Amino acid sequence: DVLMTQSPLFLPVTLGQPASLSCRSNESLVYSDGDTYVTWFHQRPGQSPRHLIYKVSKRGSGVPDRFSGSGSGTSFTLRISRVEAEDVGVYYCMQGTPPWTFGQGTKVDLK
Amino acid sequence: QVTLRESGPALVKPTQTLRLTCTFSGFSLRTSGVCIHWIRHHPGKALEWLARIDWDDDKYYNRRQRTRLTASKDTSKNQVVLTMTNVDTVDTATYYCARGGIPSEGTDFDYWGQGILVTVSS
Repeated sequence: DVLMTQSPLFLPVTLGQPASLSCRSNESLVYSDGDTYVTWFHQRPGQSPRHLIYKVSKRGSGVPDRFSGSGSGTSFTLRISRVEAEDVGVYYCMQGTPPWTFGQGTKVDLK
Repeated sequence: QVTLRESGPALVKPTQTLRLTCTFSGFSLRTSGVCIHWIRHHPGKALEWLARIDWDDDKYYNRRQRTRLTASKDTSKNQVVLTMTNVDTVDTATYYCARGGIPSEGTDFDYWGQGILVTVSS
């Protein structure tokens, strides 16, 4: 199974400042159809994961444009352009082909 | 409005069979391309995908768990059931169901249930 590794595991952030989260896979995530399926989720304390980004860089329904995804091959990044208080929580990346595997998460909290 | 909700026992004993139900609304498992995923989360560890059942009754299982897992659906009730046999304390986790769909269209894992904490203990 593909191993997804996220860094850092903990990211202290400042309101209004940008934040960058990394996710790496141990093999290329370019699928047989030529596309790359990496999804990002955000889980607030006490809530279930929320779908943020799919296909590396496409925002999910209702996701604010301060969230953006990028990357290719084995290295992917989630960026928050200006952190808001509601952005705290744990962010997970997932490679989107079977068998699906997740990273261990990056916990984002205010400094 | 898409919703999913997991239900089942909060506590099971080792060696017993765990039966979880995902009841959903706002979409149909009769629709081509739609599926339901099951995922679990051990505290402090990565999310772990367990199983998927498709609209056409195709099923996929986590390779390490496949001998213990069975997914089934009742489309008339908008329910999917996951059974896990011979549970152990390491199966203590929060279990989620999530809607699945077309990855390229952003409908795979796009809605999740609230999760259900299952504790395995004697």
